[in-house]
Amino acid sequence: ETGVTQTPRHLVMGMTNKKSLKCEQHLGHNAMYWYKQSAKKPLELMFVYSLEERVENNSVPSRFSPECPNSSHLFLHLHTLQPEDSALYLCASSHDAGGITRQYFGPGTRLTVT
Amino acid sequence: GESVGLHLPTLSVQEGDNSIINCAYSNSASDYFIWYKQESGKGPQFIIDIRSNMDKRQGQRVTVLLNKTVKHLSLQIAATQPGDSAVYFCAENKVQGAQKLVFGQGTRLTINP
Repeated sequence: ETGVTQTPRHLVMGMTNKKSLKCEQHLGHNAMYWYKQSAKKPLELMFVYSLEERVENNSVPSRFSPECPNSSHLFLHLHTLQPEDSALYLCASSHDAGGITRQYFGPGTRLTVT
Repeated sequence: GESVGLHLPTLSVQEGDNSIINCAYSNSASDYFIWYKQESGKGPQFIIDIRSNMDKRQGQRVTVLLNKTVKHLSLQIAATQPGDSAVYFCAENKVQGAQKLVFGQGTRLTINP
């Protein structure tokens, strides 16, 4: 266990649905991240939060909306997704976002858009 | 969690042999490098890291070598075990002073009994 949990582990949704992914870290870290891992590309950074403030949006479409209510929780709200958004969505955390520090990953949510 | 659609480089080794996984990185200014291991159905797991001011770092059964001249990173696993079967990713931190990891495509390591 890495101290980062994600729910749900699997999600199937239609293109018109709205769903949310949840991430929680129990490591006392100040930075949290969303990554996308798809079958055709390497791991891609989506969003970075530092002390609950978004510091990075890596050109992600607006149908993905992150939320960080506190330093331990991170959400990814999904709406009007496309089939190409099917992927493994990984959450990670690190001590901070401004230096050299390792990131700890959760197990991911396997998302299938039908 | 493996990138099954990608044409991943693969490495097959005999159990008990040493494994060497290679990675080329792109930015000569990258200041930090990490190796992750990802088993099927799991998220990436930290193995070892190295800063750009070092050439070598050793962990338990693993060694990372950094050659900045040719922008090459390698992971050596000693006495490979069946539990080492996984996809291995290198990542570089491209932005000094910020935490912005860029991951490689990964190498699939298979252990033959």
